[in-house]
Amino acid sequence: GAGVSQSPSNKVTEKGKDVELRCDPISGHTALYWYRQSLGQGLEFLIYFQGNSAPDKSGLPSDRFSAERTGGSVSTLTIQRTQQEDSAVYLCASSNTATGAEAFFGQGTRLTVV
Amino acid sequence: GIQVEQSPPDLILQEGANSTLRCNFSDSVNNLQWFHQNPWGQLINLFYIPSGTKQNGRLSATTVATERYSLLYISSSQTTDSGVYFCAVGDSNYQLIWGAGTKLIIKP
Repeated sequence: GAGVSQSPSNKVTEKGKDVELRCDPISGHTALYWYRQSLGQGLEFLIYFQGNSAPDKSGLPSDRFSAERTGGSVSTLTIQRTQQEDSAVYLCASSNTATGAEAFFGQGTRLTVV
Repeated sequence: GIQVEQSPPDLILQEGANSTLRCNFSDSVNNLQWFHQNPWGQLINLFYIPSGTKQNGRLSATTVATERYSLLYISSSQTTDSGVYFCAVGDSNYQLIWGAGTKLIIKP
């Protein structure tokens, strides 16, 4: 596609439910990043996929968080048993490391846990 | 790992003023980008500038890789320039390392 696409744009869920957030990167981009951002804060790194390498999961805050990237393209971030502190904007970016790795962001998913 | 520091953390200016935002990084980097996060949360690419100087309208940026810093210049500020400006650098694995941002408020 023309840009990074994230869905849904907004998600309201009840505490304890599982949620899945989707990221469609720019076609051909080898690297994909997930971040989250709480109101008024900076970007908090979650996970980084780079080609066929093992993902860098060092930013995942707990074992309730997981992510996968199927076929080197679409990625899904799953949060199990959501808590109120999971409320944030979840941002996805992609880049092509073969051409310098300029990263482009999606519009984000605003997650609210009630 | 690489450390990225941005200054100043906050900046309040009158419309029409010029400003310089700085990004220091602690080691050699593969790339460097400047982003503007607008009040609606969207991250907008301003410059991809691992070295050298680029200009885009009222904005320009310079990266001196050998001295490990980059500068973002905003001239004739407009209220729409308000928001947070982030610097991000790529490490040897192209993992992005982020500064904490500069919050810019342009008053009419």
